[in-house]
Amino acid sequence: QQQVKQSPQSLIVQKGGISIINCAYENTAFDYFPWYQQFPGKGPALLIAIRPDVSEKKEGRFTISFNKSAKQFSLHIMDSQPGDSATYFCAASRSGGSQGNLIFGKGTKLSVKP
Amino acid sequence: DAGITQSPRYKITETGRQVTLMCHQTWSHSYMFWYRQDLGHGLRLIYYSAAADITDKGEVPDGYVVSRSKTENFPLTLESATRSQTSVYFCASRAHRDRGYNEQFFGPGTRLTVL
Repeated sequence: QQQVKQSPQSLIVQKGGISIINCAYENTAFDYFPWYQQFPGKGPALLIAIRPDVSEKKEGRFTISFNKSAKQFSLHIMDSQPGDSATYFCAASRSGGSQGNLIFGKGTKLSVKP
Repeated sequence: DAGITQSPRYKITETGRQVTLMCHQTWSHSYMFWYRQDLGHGLRLIYYSAAADITDKGEVPDGYVVSRSKTENFPLTLESATRSQTSVYFCASRAHRDRGYNEQFFGPGTRLTVL
C-alpha cells in the first residue's frame, strides 16, 4: 500500500527528444505527487508537483501527467537537453502534518546525449 | 547562510566505530528527516522528527540513533558502524502544514565509507 514504483531505471535520450518517466502508486489516500531532480554530488531538489484534482501540470519543458483511475503519473521532459542529465525521483504522500512523509520511487537516471 | 547544511561532507571510518552526522537548518522547519541513498534502492527514510524531542522510525532505522534537542539540529549517530552502512546520507526538512504542499528541502549529503 505504501510503495511507489518507478520506471525505467535508466534512460538515454538524444538532445531535443522527449524523456518520459513513469510512476505508479497503490495508496489511494495519496494526494500530493512531486518529482525531484538530483544532479551528481547534490541533494535532490523539487522540480514540479501535482495534486490529483488536475490531470496535467506544465512548467516550462517539464510536464506531469496524472491518471487517478490508473494510479499512475509521469514526467515528460520536452526538448531534452544535456543539462537535464540527472537522476529523477517521483514521490507521493498525503498532504499535511505527520502523514505528509514522502514515499519515493527508486529513481531514474537520465542521460541526454548531445 | 540560510538553508540546510550537513557535516561532514565526507567521512571514512572503521567497522565498530561510532559516527555522528550533523544536520542544521535555518528555516525553523518543524519536520526533519534522514535518508540514505544506495544504488538500486533510491532514497530510504531512516528516521524523522516532527518537532524538538519528537522522533520516529522510518523504513530502515536499525543501527542508527537520532536526537533533536533543538528545532534546527538533527544529528544522526551510527553507534557501531558496519560496512552495510556505507552510503550517502541526506538530511531534509519541511514546514508543518495542515494542508498544502509538503515540499522537502534536502541538504548536500554526507558520503560515508565504513572500512
